[in-house]
Amino acid sequence: EAGVVQSPRYKIIEKKQPVAFWCNPISGHNTLYWYRQNLGQGPELLIRYENEEAVDDSQLPKDRFSAERLKGVDSTLKIQPAELGDSAVYLCASSLGPGMGYEQYFGPGTRLTVT
Amino acid sequence: TQLLEQSPQFLSIQEGENLTVYCNSSSVFSSLQWYRQEPGEGPVLLVTVVTGGEVKKLKRLTFQFGDARKDSSLHITAAQPGDTGLYLCAGAPSGAGGTSYGKLTFGQGTILTVHP
Repeated sequence: EAGVVQSPRYKIIEKKQPVAFWCNPISGHNTLYWYRQNLGQGPELLIRYENEEAVDDSQLPKDRFSAERLKGVDSTLKIQPAELGDSAVYLCASSLGPGMGYEQYFGPGTRLTVT
Repeated sequence: TQLLEQSPQFLSIQEGENLTVYCNSSSVFSSLQWYRQEPGEGPVLLVTVVTGGEVKKLKRLTFQFGDARKDSSLHITAAQPGDTGLYLCAGAPSGAGGTSYGKLTFGQGTILTVHP
C-alpha cells in the first residue's frame, strides 16, 4: 500500500514569493493534517481536515497561509507571500479518523528554504 | 494547553550502550505514541500505548506508559547505529469532542546519535 505522498520534496524561493505544497494521503484515510517542523523540533499542527472540512485551523497563520482539500482526498497548502521565518519542513499526515487511536502516518515532507 | 516535555534533548552514545528517553506532562492523555524520524523523512510510528502502566516491547525497544497516563519512557537496549534519529512522543487528549479531538501534542524530540 502506498504511503502519504508529498511534492515537491524541496523548494527554495525568495521572500515575498508564493509557494504551494501538495499532499496525497493514504487511500481511505479521511483525516488529513498539515504540520510545520523546525529543525530538531517536534511537528506543530497547522490544520486538520475531516474529509473536506477544516475542523481545526487555529494554528494556521491565515494572513499568509491557506489550505484546501476540495474532494476530501488530496490537499494543497499555500503560502503567499513567504517570509524568511517560514523556512521549515512541511509535513502532511493522514489517519483513518480521529477515533482510530490517533495513529497518524506521515509523508516525507517538503523542505522549504526562503532566502 | 497540553505540553509534553522530552528529556534529554540530545543523546550521544556508543554502540552497545543502553539508554532511556523520557516524555513527561502534567496532563492526562488517552494514548501516547512514539515516533522515530530519520533525516529527510517524516516521522514513523513505532508504538501506541493506551492503558496506564502498559509496557510494550519492539525488539530492543521497550515502551512504558505511566500509571496516571501523564508520562512515558522509551528504553533501548544495546543501541545500534541504525537507531540514530529523532525520537518523538505524541499524546492524544483525554477528552472527546471539541477542536482538541484528534489533535496530537508532540514533544520537542530527542536527537539520538549512536556511534559505531
